[in-house]
Amino acid sequence: AQKITQTQPGMFVQEKEAVTLDCTYDTSDPSYGLFWYKQPSSGEMIFLIYQGSYDQQNATEGRYSLNFQKARKSANLVISASQLGDSAMYFCALREEANSKLTFGKGITLSVRP
Amino acid sequence: EAGVAQSPRYKIIEKRQSVAFWCNPISGHATLYWYQQILGQGPKLLIQFQNNGVVDDSQLPKDRFSAERLKGVDSTLKIQPAKLEDSAVYLCASSLDVVGLNGYTFGSGTRLTVV
Repeated sequence: AQKITQTQPGMFVQEKEAVTLDCTYDTSDPSYGLFWYKQPSSGEMIFLIYQGSYDQQNATEGRYSLNFQKARKSANLVISASQLGDSAMYFCALREEANSKLTFGKGITLSVRP
Repeated sequence: EAGVAQSPRYKIIEKRQSVAFWCNPISGHATLYWYQQILGQGPKLLIQFQNNGVVDDSQLPKDRFSAERLKGVDSTLKIQPAKLEDSAVYLCASSLDVVGLNGYTFGSGTRLTVV
């Protein structure tokens, strides 16, 4: 089974609007972490936000927030007030307690329109 | 602090040739990872080192890929002989601890094209 599923086709959002990027995950490990990364066309992986499985509150980092629904095994990224520079690939990744490696989804392309 | 350094940035080789990539992690980071990212896909872990020991190389095609981290600092990933399907970006990442609690830092990657 896929550990991380990102099924949205390319996403488009108007500048200054909010957008939600979906991520569902599959693990039997009770302790895990979920990460979101941004990858612009230049190729580097930029860390955005982290959510631990035992965190009581949804993570927030500036314009990024994570809508964590543990029972549904979803960890959607919300970007508020989109900017042109947000246009990039976005990856959701899972780290299970059993090991420290990150397992990535296939990513979502976000395009911000002026 | 300096980031994760990778070289070369780009490499074009013919199939059946060999190629090597180099990675220098953030100083003090014990764990080092090599990922392969094929165009349009998410990164896939090839190998994970803890200091100079291998933690996980279950997805490394060992008939043609090899990696080492002899002194527990920088690392080299080699492909010999290369195939067309090896065309990808090879990302190196490091973390302070073995469980990645303090996050991961990625290098800019090496884009390999096999022709």
